[in-house]
Amino acid sequence: EVELVESGGGVVQPGGSLRLSCAVSGFMFSNYWMKWVRHVPGKGLDWVANIRPDGSEGYYMESVKGRFTISRDNARNLLFLQMNSLRGEDTAVYYCVRDYRDLPMTNWGRGVPVTVS
Amino acid sequence: DVVLTQSPLSLPVTLGQPASISCRSSQSLVNSDGSIFLSWFHQKPGQSPRRLIYMISNRDSGVPDRFSGSGSGTDFTLKISRVEAEDFGVYYCLQATHWPWTFGQGTKVEIK
Repeated sequence: EVELVESGGGVVQPGGSLRLSCAVSGFMFSNYWMKWVRHVPGKGLDWVANIRPDGSEGYYMESVKGRFTISRDNARNLLFLQMNSLRGEDTAVYYCVRDYRDLPMTNWGRGVPVTVS
Repeated sequence: DVVLTQSPLSLPVTLGQPASISCRSSQSLVNSDGSIFLSWFHQKPGQSPRRLIYMISNRDSGVPDRFSGSGSGTDFTLKISRVEAEDFGVYYCLQATHWPWTFGQGTKVEIK
């Protein structure tokens, strides 16, 4: 069974940093693109960042470029999101998400809340 | 970026009655190989989103057949043939044809 478990969220002041982690199991992690998606309270869903299966390159939504870094450790089945220079508008529940072949966003973690205040 | 516009944004429904949500794209979602990567997700409060439909009209495993998707080009629709109590929540469309992938604003389905 595919499982994605996020951790590392919390409350941080504007300008601060947090590092989110996602522990995965139930599939060959190193074969898949992974992403972070966030849900802003009272608003909708936003894709935040993607990373290639080999971890060679990450892609970001415009508003987080230069502040967030996505990475992965394929040996330990871990996905990360380093968030620096946090802003109030980054307040959201962050989800670790897997695509499956051509099927986008097939598996989701339970999410981890991040509050910037 | 591709903008997906959902309507309505709020949808009060009566149990047992049909419901329909529209998702319109600012540009065609037809891929270079003719595929259209338009999906629908359902999110209940406090839960993760769950994909219901992929590639316009394909139901995911375990999704009841009262859910159906249709459309082409820039106009897409999610229909629920007979709304049940467990169907409340917010529905989102997602396009994964053009980079960056984008979601619609969400449609909140409330049970009357």
